[in-house]
Amino acid sequence: KQEVTQIPAALSVPEGENLVLNCSFTDSAIYNLQWFRQDPGKGLTSLLLIQSSQREQTSGRLNASLDKSSGRSTLYIAASQPGDSATYLCAVSNTGNQFYFGTGTSLTVIP
Amino acid sequence: EAQVTQNPRYLITVTGKKLTVTCSQNMNHEYMSWYRQDPGLGLRQIYYSMNVEVTDKGDVPEGYKVSRKEKRNFPLILESPSPNQTSLYFCASSLSSGGGRWTQYFGPGTRLLVL
Repeated sequence: KQEVTQIPAALSVPEGENLVLNCSFTDSAIYNLQWFRQDPGKGLTSLLLIQSSQREQTSGRLNASLDKSSGRSTLYIAASQPGDSATYLCAVSNTGNQFYFGTGTSLTVIP
Repeated sequence: EAQVTQNPRYLITVTGKKLTVTCSQNMNHEYMSWYRQDPGLGLRQIYYSMNVEVTDKGDVPEGYKVSRKEKRNFPLILESPSPNQTSLYFCASSLSSGGGRWTQYFGPGTRLLVL
């Protein structure tokens, strides 16, 4: 069974700083990996999806990379803003049907 | 507006009283899924459906039932709720499960308390 780990569990940074969130998974035979954002009391919003054949995806200030062989993905956030404060979750799928989530990294960006 | 809706948003019930949480999407998505979110455990998949009349178990299906009679709806049924099913529940949908290309869209969540 796939195990997904996100470290650190919480992170606090000053506004403007570049930061990296980490996601690791135990089974490298993945179909895809997604990064989500969750705001308090709300559902999840998809940020980036990386298919197994891809190495990275970019959207605005966000860049996600995937290294299947080492079982790792990183989410890079450039020039962080207070509005980036949220919990960031990664999810891995081995089949395209079943998904395994990490417990998330709670990010606080201090103005 | 493209969206996934869940009802109710909040529910307090008692042990053993059957309940249904509805989920509906207006994007003509084939794939739908239910998750529960618990502190320290993250999101865990309960059931998923690849299309009408096609459902399968996720990681934690015990105590839950689902049905997919229409493409847009995917209700979650708790026949005899127990306190350990107290949780935050999310429904999600995506265009398809194939190809690994399709992102999931999530509903706003249903917070369930079983006394």
